[in-house]
This record gives sequence, C-alpha cells and structure tokens, in this order.
Amino acid sequence: AQRVTQPEKLLSVFKGAPVELKCNYSYSGSPELFWYVQYSRQRLQLLLRHISRESIKGFTADLNKGETSFHLKKPFAQEEDSAMYYCALRIQGAQKLVFGQGTRLTINP
Amino acid sequence: GEEVAQTPKHLVRGEGQKAKLYCAPIKGHSYVFWYQQVLKNEFKFLISFQNENVFDETGMPKERFSAKCLPNSPCSLEIQATKLEDSAVYFCASSLRGEDTQYFGPGTRLTVL
Repeated sequence: AQRVTQPEKLLSVFKGAPVELKCNYSYSGSPELFWYVQYSRQRLQLLLRHISRESIKGFTADLNKGETSFHLKKPFAQEEDSAMYYCALRIQGAQKLVFGQGTRLTINP
Repeated sequence: GEEVAQTPKHLVRGEGQKAKLYCAPIKGHSYVFWYQQVLKNEFKFLISFQNENVFDETGMPKERFSAKCLPNSPCSLEIQATKLEDSAVYFCASSLRGEDTQYFGPGTRLTVL
C-alpha cells in the first residue's frame, strides 16, 4: 500500500540555521510529491510540488526515486517558517492525496 | 468564491446522533475531496467527486457515512449515528481538475460525546 512517512513529529532549529524536514514514501509507480504547510490558525496550503521544481519561500525539495525520499530544505530558517508541514503523495491515475503525519517545525529566535 | 468554505466550524453531537457537514468549493472547480484528520494525525482520504458524480469512494466507511455534491448546492458529508471515534477534523478540498492543486478549507471539528 502507498505510504508517506515523516519520521520527525517535532523539529526545532535556531533562526538562520539550515532546516531539513524528512519525507519518505513507498509506492511502486511514478509518484507525484507535494509539501503542504499549515501556519498557526490558517488553512492547509500548498508549499511546493516536485514537478514544478521551484523554490517557494526559500524552500526546495528534490525527489530522489532511489531513496524514495522528498526532503524539504531551507538553508537559513526564519521565524515565520514555524508551522506544521505535511508531505503528500498523489498516486498515478488517482486524484486523492496520501499524507504523512506531519512535522511541527519551530524556529527559535 | 475564492476560497473553499466549510460550515460549521465546530459541531458537537451525542453518540448516535446525526452530523452533517458542508463544503462550498472554489467556483469553477470540478473536483471536491473530503479528508478526515483524527487527533492531529495524518489526513485520511474519504471520498472525492467530479462535479456531482462520485469519483473515488475507497476511503468511505461502508456504514453510516454518505456524501453528496448536487448542482448549485454546497457539497455535504453526513454521518448517521455518530460514534466516539468519528471525532475528528473534516477537511474539504477542491481542485480545478483532478490533477491540479487541491485547495483546502478551514475544516469542521466534529466532537462526539
């Protein structure tokens, strides 16, 4: 079965430090991967998707099919990055998203 | 509208009572998705619609849960005879087409006592 794993429930880094949120998936086909973010008291919103290969708010993520990973990275964390981050997988041919359990990122001043 | 709207924000039901949740997708979006999030854990897919037709209902519990998307009306998710384990936040999302970005609503928190 398809599965998304985010091994860290909580992640705390200092402002200006690099941050990496891990995401691994299990899927035998060709996956489409996403990162969604939920800031405090806001709705879940798309941060980036792997097919876009773009950087949003300084974040990047590269799909590594060999390691079945899609880790989210930012070289210099900012306080406004504190939020809940969810990695999600869309299965080829299906439209639904399979989510990981989320990582709460806290950026300390 | 420009955002997915969900009503009510909070819903409290006694065990065995019916609960009905509503979702208004972004205008022009053809797909609607329902997800359940229990105890701030991962989102569980329930059902999706393409316009008023069920597209995928593989996540829907066979009993007690039903959903509709009728023309010119908000979509609805109904739970007959709620149970304690139905307590969760129910999120609705919509997308222009099936493969496009899903935009999420703020969720409805259902508490079953």
